[in-house]
Amino acid sequence: DAGVTQSPTHLIKTRGQQVTLRCSPKSGHDTVSWYQQALGQGPQFIFQYYEEEERQRGNFPDRFSGHQFPNYSSELNVNALLLGDSALYLCASSLGGGGIYEQYFGPGTRLTVT
Amino acid sequence: DQQVKQNSPSLSVQEGRISILNCDYTNSMFDYFLWYKKYPAEGPTFLISISSIKDKNEDGRFTVFLNKSAKHLSLHIVPSQPGDSAVYFCAASDNYGQNFVFGPGTRLSVLP
Repeated sequence: DAGVTQSPTHLIKTRGQQVTLRCSPKSGHDTVSWYQQALGQGPQFIFQYYEEEERQRGNFPDRFSGHQFPNYSSELNVNALLLGDSALYLCASSLGGGGIYEQYFGPGTRLTVT
Repeated sequence: DQQVKQNSPSLSVQEGRISILNCDYTNSMFDYFLWYKKYPAEGPTFLISISSIKDKNEDGRFTVFLNKSAKHLSLHIVPSQPGDSAVYFCAASDNYGQNFVFGPGTRLSVLP
């Protein structure tokens, strides 16, 4: 039973560039949430996708956008990268459009902006 | 403004003894609390949760206590094992799953 997978594992980008991160949910899950974890901090909720729509959003600017595909996989896009966007980006999957209570997390993508 | 606080960045405990990890929150709308464990190079793993209608929930070696009037919860691990060494995150949510917030984490080291 495949768990949550994320790609790439690591990524280095330059300020002002755009980046796309990818996530495949755990088998049987239909909801994907994205988190940003800065160094020394806990994960911060970015947004959640269910039925290919953004259902909830945390306090992140519009530079952060996402997409969910019919197979439930998801992408996180960040435009106009800032140095402060350097972080570990975690994807979590769950079932049923809510499901934050028992989410399964992927290992994350480490983004470094120089 | 940190809504979920874990004031101890790190904790060291001897194997076999009790580990107590603390968490405080400020938002009175929080109704559901969770603990996650995170090993290096892995995502957080759900450990145990508690609803605000309870003051205690137990699962094997792990027990979570909630003091709603003090806006405080704690995770007890008894007995502690070296494999418990990880970063532990406290998280909170309102009853509708909105406003899901993690604390900054506490790094637990269990010494053999």
